Amino acid sequence: GQNIDQPTEMTATEGAIVQINCTYQTSGFNGLFWYQQHAGEAPTFLSYNVLDGLEEKGRFSSFLSRSKGYSYLLLKELQMKDSASYLCAVRDSNYQLIWGAGTKLIIKP
Amino acid sequence: ETGVTQTPRHLVMGMTNKKSLKCEQHLGHNAMYWYKQSAKKPLELMFVYSLEERVENNSVPSRFSPECPNSSHLFLHLHTLQPEDSALYLCASSQAFGGAADTQYFGPGTRLTVL
Repeated sequence: GQNIDQPTEMTATEGAIVQINCTYQTSGFNGLFWYQQHAGEAPTFLSYNVLDGLEEKGRFSSFLSRSKGYSYLLLKELQMKDSASYLCAVRDSNYQLIWGAGTKLIIKP
Repeated sequence: ETGVTQTPRHLVMGMTNKKSLKCEQHLGHNAMYWYKQSAKKPLELMFVYSLEERVENNSVPSRFSPECPNSSHLFLHLHTLQPEDSALYLCASSQAFGGAADTQYFGPGTRLTVL
């Protein structure tokens, strides 16, 4: 079967750096997405990786290793507003999006 | 209005009621999606429409009935629901279904409670 694994919950301190991991086993691979979802709000697109390596967008970076079936989202200079759930999703060989259950990130002052 | 909007934002209904959820996208996209989001579970894809034609129906019970009258509007008609159907229902749209880099944009969801 197809599976996406991410930690259920993480806690970090304001101003620090946090890395949220995502591992996947899917039938084929056509890219990996990260979304942010604040409680009670819409998931919003953060990043898309299809080639190995690091993609940087301001305070957020996303890394992909296709050979390891692994990605991470790196958040720097954490702010209280970064408290949210972070969803990892992989597009498989049928172009279906397979979703993880999300990682709830709690930022403490 | 911009992006993807959904109404109502909250809905409480009894098991014998009939109600509809509405989604509208203002992005000029050709594909629209319904998802179910339950606590601590992955998003479950329910239905996909591409150019107003249904292309995916992932074994969803018949008490959920989608309708896509045009590429900007999507409805989910609900009848004789069960308490386990209580969840957040998310609508999304994307430029074109099936592209590798095709990105989905979500509405804020309808929080549904079935009593």
